[in-house]
Amino acid sequence: GEDVEQSLFLSVREGDSSVINCTYTDSSSTYLYWYKQEPGAGLQLLTYIFSNMDMKQDQRLTVLLNKKDKHLSLRIADTQTGDSAIYFCAERASGTYKYIFGTGTRLKVLA
Amino acid sequence: DTGVSQNPRHKITKRGQNVTFRCDPISEHNRLYWYRQTLGQGPEFLTYFQNEAQLEKSRLLSDRFSAERPKGSFSTLEIQRTEQGDSAMYLCASSLVVSGANVLTFGAGSRLTVL
Repeated sequence: GEDVEQSLFLSVREGDSSVINCTYTDSSSTYLYWYKQEPGAGLQLLTYIFSNMDMKQDQRLTVLLNKKDKHLSLRIADTQTGDSAIYFCAERASGTYKYIFGTGTRLKVLA
Repeated sequence: DTGVSQNPRHKITKRGQNVTFRCDPISEHNRLYWYRQTLGQGPEFLTYFQNEAQLEKSRLLSDRFSAERPKGSFSTLEIQRTEQGDSAMYLCASSLVVSGANVLTFGAGSRLTVL
């Protein structure tokens, strides 16, 4: 089936690390993506990881991929108030052109 | 290029009316997607175009919904005989393949309220 699951909420203090988790179902996904959505705006690509990688680091962002468990995580180091947003993971459904998005994790950063 | 542009940003209509949304993608992007997003949910796929060809349409999409991309540039999404359940944010995205990854760029969306 096609399903991407995420926890709904995460609250952290400014300066701490945030870890947002995602589980997906399609083991054939070649790339997995993280998007960010701020209020009243469309989704913005944050980063993506190729399925043959376990980890990808991009400045404050670290993506970890566990293919065996179909688990993806996004770690944001030194979280800032500007990181408050909804974060979506996404994968492409095999045999189709469509991308499946999770329900989103709302990150709230407390000053 | 100013990114993906969607119009109108907000539309309020009465049940039973028809509405049309327009999407202007990034000019060099040949792939275009429409998604629907309701409060507290992730985007839900509606349809996909490659150039002017509509290659995929969600099975969940009723026949009241139709989309076109006549010249492979801008696209329109029309909803006929709107229902209250159609109230949502309609998102358009265009994409380009970068090092093998298909990176979608989203517009700000068109919010539909059906009274």
